[in-house]
Amino acid sequence: DSGVTQTPKHLITATGQRVTLRCSPRSGDLSVYWYQQSLDQGLQFLIQYYNGEERAKGNILERFSAQQFPDLHSELNLSSLELGDSALYFCASSVDLILSGNTIYFGEGSWLTVV
Amino acid sequence: QQQVKQSPQSLIVQKGGISIINCAYENTAFDYFPWYQQFPGKGPALLIAIRPDVSEKKEGRFTISFNKSAKQFSLHIMDSQPGDSATYFCAASPHAYSGAGSYQLTFGKGTKLSVIP
Repeated sequence: DSGVTQTPKHLITATGQRVTLRCSPRSGDLSVYWYQQSLDQGLQFLIQYYNGEERAKGNILERFSAQQFPDLHSELNLSSLELGDSALYFCASSVDLILSGNTIYFGEGSWLTVV
Repeated sequence: QQQVKQSPQSLIVQKGGISIINCAYENTAFDYFPWYQQFPGKGPALLIAIRPDVSEKKEGRFTISFNKSAKQFSLHIMDSQPGDSATYFCAASPHAYSGAGSYQLTFGKGTKLSVIP
């Protein structure tokens, strides 16, 4: 158990809908990262937050957004869902903003299926 | 675009054999190279990591070899066991003060390792 908690574990929704994925980082971790894992693209970095502020953006679509709350939990919002958004979404956390050399801990992911 | 290229995509090794997974990168700002192990239904977990100031790091049966001039690094699993069957990801992140602006891990596409008895 990494200490990173993600909900829901599985989600099935229709195209055009909106979903919210939730993440609680490890106790004491200030940085939260969101990754998307699909068979053909591997692990793609989406976005990073540190202590409530956005710090880095990766391949995140405009239909997607995220935020980190004062209690450090984070939510990833996916809207106008398309079939191609079906993937495993991981949240990860680390202690510091500066990742280099810091261990990043992953949750078990949220499986999103868009039908 | 920052990239890490990983090979092979899949690997089948006999129990007791050596598993070797290779990765190559282009961004010279990368200075931290971890390997993650992922079992089905689980998130990736850090296995072992190396920095460019050493050419090799060993932890138990797992060894990272690093070739800075070739911009390549590899994972060797000695005496491979069926319990090692998993997907392995190499990754890289830039130096904290490289000015890269973001320090998130860039992952390879993964290698699915199957160790057969």
